[in-house]
Amino acid sequence: SQQGEEDPQALSIQEGENATMNCSYKTSINNLQWYRQNSGRGLVHLILIRSNEREKHSGRLRVTLDTSKKSSSLLITASRAADTASYFCATDKANYGQNFVFGPGTRLSVLP
Amino acid sequence: DSGVTQTPKHLITATGQRVTLRCSPRSGDLSVYWYQQSLDQGLQFLIQYYNGEERAKGNILERFSAQQFPDLHSELNLSSLELGDSALYFCASSEGLAGVFETQYFGPGTRLLVL
Repeated sequence: SQQGEEDPQALSIQEGENATMNCSYKTSINNLQWYRQNSGRGLVHLILIRSNEREKHSGRLRVTLDTSKKSSSLLITASRAADTASYFCATDKANYGQNFVFGPGTRLSVLP
Repeated sequence: DSGVTQTPKHLITATGQRVTLRCSPRSGDLSVYWYQQSLDQGLQFLIQYYNGEERAKGNILERFSAQQFPDLHSELNLSSLELGDSALYFCASSEGLAGVFETQYFGPGTRLLVL
């Protein structure tokens, strides 16, 4: 199975609600990144959190990292229709030179 | 706009053929990464080049090859194409060689359809 796996696979919410997506991974990491992909387009970097950090904020985004549970969560507050996209976590393995492994993603639909 | 450009946007070809996908990284970025995204396999890392040299290899088939030129643009060559090679191919770039520590900037992708 994959190094990073997002949960749930799909999420549908109303505008204004909060959306929470989770990512679990298997081996130790140096850092974890979250990316967004609008349908059929390139990925856009959202936030990077290092293994010695527990929480980071960027605008309406809040990312937490629990290395003891090998999991991360992405919270989008006050969601908007424009947040509709797929969200991926990307993890490395804690060996220099290893490149990112992307999970299968969470498809978020924000309904107006 | 990430600053990474990819051409062509769409490519339709037949099985057994060979195609070349092109990527220009963001100005100043020395690393280029290639990814394949398909419905059944998700986003798979293929290969990384740093300043003209191959840096890391992922799930790249032997039928596929890549190179990075002195001007830092990169090409991904796909040969003996099969139906299963139909996918979105993304190029990404980053400043340095340590991809795991850096943000990657993705291009808009090339959609390949093999008939």
